[in-house]
Amino acid sequence: GENVEQHPSTLSVQEGDSAVIKCTYSDSASNYFPWYKQELGKRPQLIIDIRSNVGEKKDQRIAVTLNKTAKHFSLHITETQPEDSAVYFCAVLRDSNYQLIWGAGTKLIIKP
Amino acid sequence: DTGVSQNPRHKITKRGQNVTFRCDPISEHNRLYWYRQTLGQGPEFLTYFQNEAQLEKSRLLSDRFSAERPKGSFSTLEIQRTEQGDSAMYLCASSLAGGGTQYFGPGTRLTVL
Repeated sequence: GENVEQHPSTLSVQEGDSAVIKCTYSDSASNYFPWYKQELGKRPQLIIDIRSNVGEKKDQRIAVTLNKTAKHFSLHITETQPEDSAVYFCAVLRDSNYQLIWGAGTKLIIKP
Repeated sequence: DTGVSQNPRHKITKRGQNVTFRCDPISEHNRLYWYRQTLGQGPEFLTYFQNEAQLEKSRLLSDRFSAERPKGSFSTLEIQRTEQGDSAMYLCASSLAGGGTQYFGPGTRLTVL
């Protein structure tokens, strides 16, 4: 079955610097890759997603890149701000049943 | 608020009691998912519905768990004879059919004493 690995588990960056979180997956048939942000005690919120027909997608300070050949995708946050502090999850949609398979999460800490 | 809603937001119960949670999806979404999340972990898939049909159940969903979506709109998740290991956040999500984006509700936090 699909396996999703996410690194790092914790990432601490200085405010204003960039943050990069990486995920790898195993099922080459997967075609949809969302990223969710979850603040403590709150619901996961979709921040950006990408489908396999594109290699990169950007939304203001957030971008996602996808390398289907290597089966990995990354979240890039530029000009980080204190409100970016949260846990970020990558996920992969299993095509057979549309179930999301989640990474273990990355705790992003923005240092003032 | 036209997003996914869940009730109750918090539930504290004693071991052995039954509990039921409700999820109201986004109105035009015909797929509804239940996940369970424990502290420090990502959500784990439990089950999903396409309209009123329950199409898949995870092996995590023991026979004490049952979910329904009788009219293809709201869904309920019942846990019978709760155990302390059932303590978790139970999240509901909905999407349009197929590979649509899943939008999550605020969750129901269950504490089993």
